[in-house]
Amino acid sequence: KAGVTQTPRYLIKTRGQQVTLSCSPISGHRSVSWYQQTPGQGLQFLFEYFSETQRNKGNFPGRFSGRQFSNSRSEMNVSTLELGDSALYLCASSARQGSMTGELFFGEGSRLTVL
Amino acid sequence: SQQGEEDPQALSIQEGENATMNCSYKTSINNLQWYRQNSGRGLVHLILIRSNEREKHSGRLRVTLDTSKKSSSLLITASRAADTASYFCATDARETGNQFYFGTGTSLTVIP
Repeated sequence: KAGVTQTPRYLIKTRGQQVTLSCSPISGHRSVSWYQQTPGQGLQFLFEYFSETQRNKGNFPGRFSGRQFSNSRSEMNVSTLELGDSALYLCASSARQGSMTGELFFGEGSRLTVL
Repeated sequence: SQQGEEDPQALSIQEGENATMNCSYKTSINNLQWYRQNSGRGLVHLILIRSNEREKHSGRLRVTLDTSKKSSSLLITASRAADTASYFCATDARETGNQFYFGTGTSLTVIP
């Protein structure tokens, strides 16, 4: 089974630009979660999608948005980039919403640098 | 915040020694999981312990859970250089929509 695939792996943007990150979950997984990881804040939950619906959202401004397609692939978008958005963005898939009884399977992440 | 905290933040040991990391959390949980992250990579699931379990083993890993103290520990026995990584605990709870919240991590260095 292929793992979670995130693209692009690395990208550099300038302040004010917007960025779209993509995540393809493990086949059959319907839940996709996004996390932001920075050295100072650790892993912060962004949002979770399940069957194309956003089920939960973390404490991030509206500049951070996402969506999920019918094939469970997910994208997240950050508009009007700020320097503080520089981070490793991790996507995780699971077989169930919230994965109450299971584990999260992570992709390798997309490292965003904002200049 | 539901976020857990790992202790210590950093740990350095010699190969062959045991490594113990602790995790504390704030509210009642469904499950607690431990993940490992090699530098700049994605997280890899290590072990899950349910709220009604007290101890679990997987290979060289031993996890304990004390729900009365809202804490968990991860013991890695006979450490190897390849165990060098950051280790995170993650909890999920009904009160927070069953979402996972990660601790701040313990950075483990195993010296050959």
